[in-house]
Amino acid sequence: QKEVEQNSGPLSVPEGAIASLNCTYSDRVSQSFFWYRQYSGKSPELIMSIYSNGDKEDGRFTAQLNKASQYVSLLIRDSQPSDSATYLCAVKDSGGYNKLIFGAGTRLAVHP
Amino acid sequence: AAGVIQSPRHLIKEKRETATLKCYPIPRHDTVYWYQQGPGQDPQFLISFYEKMQSDKGSIPDRFSAQQFSDYHSELNMSSLELGDSALYFCASSQGNEQFFGPGTRLTVL
Repeated sequence: QKEVEQNSGPLSVPEGAIASLNCTYSDRVSQSFFWYRQYSGKSPELIMSIYSNGDKEDGRFTAQLNKASQYVSLLIRDSQPSDSATYLCAVKDSGGYNKLIFGAGTRLAVHP
Repeated sequence: AAGVIQSPRHLIKEKRETATLKCYPIPRHDTVYWYQQGPGQDPQFLISFYEKMQSDKGSIPDRFSAQQFSDYHSELNMSSLELGDSALYFCASSQGNEQFFGPGTRLTVL
C-alpha cells in the first residue's frame, strides 16, 4: 500500500512568520508531487507542483523535494491569516494512470 | 479561466436510493478523475477516464459506476446508497500532470 504521510497538526504560526509543512512518501518511483490547499468544506486548490530535486519558488510559496529521502516540503513565507487551511500533500501514483495519493493533510492556523 | 463544473452542489438521498453526479471538465482537458472525501479524511481516488475510456480504478464500490461521454463530461452513478456514502465527491480534470478540482458535490444519505 503506497502511503503519503503528513503531520496532522494543527500547526500554529504567528502572522508574518514562515510556516513549514512536511510530507514523506513510500513509493520510491514517484516522479510528481503536489501541494493543495483546502479550506473547510471547499475543494482542494493546487498551489505547487514539483518534479525535480531541489527548490521551486512561486510567490510566498517554496516547495522542496528530496527524492533520495522521499521527502517533500512546503514553506509559506510571510504567513497571513488567510493562509489558515488544511494543506494536502499529493503524490502521483507511479503504478496507476496519473491518480493522486493524498496525505491526511496538515491543518495550518495563522494567528494575528 | 474556466474551471471544472460539478452538479448538483448538494444532494440529499435516502438509503437504497440512487444518485447521479455530473462533472464538466476544463475545456481541452483529456482526463477526468473522481475522488471521494469523507468527513475529516483525505480525498480517495475512485475512477478516472482518459479520452472517454476508463483509465484507472481505485476503491470504487461495485454499486458505483461512471462513464465519460462524447462531450467529455462525466457522470458518477451511485446505487443502493448507504449511510457511509455520505461524503464530498470531487471531480478533477487534467491535461498533463496537474489536476484541477471542481467545487464538489456534497452527498448526504439519510
